[in-house]
Amino acid sequence: QKEVEQDPGPLSVPEGAIVSLNCTYSNSAFQYFMWYRQYSRKGPELLMYTYSSGNKEDGRFTAQVDKSSKYISLFIRDSQPSDSATYLCALHTGRRALTFGSGTRLQVQP
Amino acid sequence: DTAVSQTPKYLVTQMGNDKSIKCEQNLGHDTMYWYKQDSKKFLKIMFSYNNKELIINETVPNRFSPKSPDKAHLNLHINSLELGDSAVYFCASSHDRETEAFFGQGTRLTVV
Repeated sequence: QKEVEQDPGPLSVPEGAIVSLNCTYSNSAFQYFMWYRQYSRKGPELLMYTYSSGNKEDGRFTAQVDKSSKYISLFIRDSQPSDSATYLCALHTGRRALTFGSGTRLQVQP
Repeated sequence: DTAVSQTPKYLVTQMGNDKSIKCEQNLGHDTMYWYKQDSKKFLKIMFSYNNKELIINETVPNRFSPKSPDKAHLNLHINSLELGDSAVYFCASSHDRETEAFFGQGTRLTVV
């Protein structure tokens, strides 16, 4: 079993939709939770970073962490075609390097 | 002002060759990493250096050797390249081992 599971998609939604992206993890030592966005042929770009259970909002993006269920989510409101990319969850114990999910490919249709 | 820069961006080479990828960060970070992204987009840690000291060395063939001349640079040298080494290699840096990492644009290595 992988330490971090993420549905690869692809996920196709119409412009303006609310998008929900999710990861589950098995290692309770993970304490830091991040979401990265990766456009085709580019490096991953940090979107959200949180270290506690609950919600964190930044513009159209909301990151949600439920440590008791070992479940993290990223919500995108009013999705735009420019949001089309691969979204990677990344988790950190504080001792090693980031452990990534396999990424979910999102396509927002105009 | 590129924060984490890698060279070259593309590298096509024949099996058996030796090649190097260079990485530099101007963020003042203490920790640098090499990640490998395979064809299915899965990103996996290879190495990590903290203040020029190797702190993470995952199960990577000995043909891969990182070198950190100073804390702003982390290079990756690969000997005797194999077809299976074809992937995108990302350099990243972070303030310390507990914080978020910032990535370079990647080096797309193709071994033919």
